Amino acid sequence: EVQLVDSGGGLVQPGGSLRLSCAASGFTFSTYSMNWVRQGPGKGLEWVSYISSRSSTIHYADSVKGRFTISRDNAKNSLYLQMNSLRAEDTAVYYCARCHNSGWTYLFDSWGQGTLVTVSS
Amino acid sequence: EIVMTQSPATLSVSPGERATLSCRAGQSVSSNLAWYQQKPGQAPRLLIYGASTRATGIPARFSGSGSGTEFTLTISSLQSEDFAVYYCQQYNNLYSFGQGTKLEIK
Repeated sequence: EVQLVDSGGGLVQPGGSLRLSCAASGFTFSTYSMNWVRQGPGKGLEWVSYISSRSSTIHYADSVKGRFTISRDNAKNSLYLQMNSLRAEDTAVYYCARCHNSGWTYLFDSWGQGTLVTVSS
Repeated sequence: EIVMTQSPATLSVSPGERATLSCRAGQSVSSNLAWYQQKPGQAPRLLIYGASTRATGIPARFSGSGSGTEFTLTISSLQSEDFAVYYCQQYNNLYSFGQGTKLEIK
């Protein structure tokens, strides 16, 4: 069974940093592209970042470019999101999401349970 | 950005009945349309992709149809566990999600 477990969220002050993690199991992690998707309180879903299976291709949403860094460790079956210079508008539940094997970058076939990031003073 | 519009915002249906949810794209997305189900406090779950292909493990009572700009998700006989928020998403040109349809018990 595919399982994605998100962790690392919490309360952080504006301008602070946080590192999210996603532990994958039940599939060959190293062969799948992965994403981070967030959902603000009472809001819709917003894609944040994409990383290909071997980390050769990385994309960011304009809203986080220059502040967030996605990475992965295939030996540890783990995905990460380093978030710096956090703003109030980054407050959201963050989900790691696996790309569907059809090759479409923005088609997400499995999701973690989410981890809440709250940016507030 | 392609605007995705879902209707209705809220749909009240009795268990055992059929539910029909609609999604309209601001421009053609071919068949590159997905449907997700989200329950309170849970992550979204992929139900349908390619407009009509059920994802792994999704019951046959869920079906999708449409192409271009008009799409429909049909749940043939509602079960208690189906009451949730449903989102459509196009992935033909970058991505965009609809605002969601809340399916509630009548």
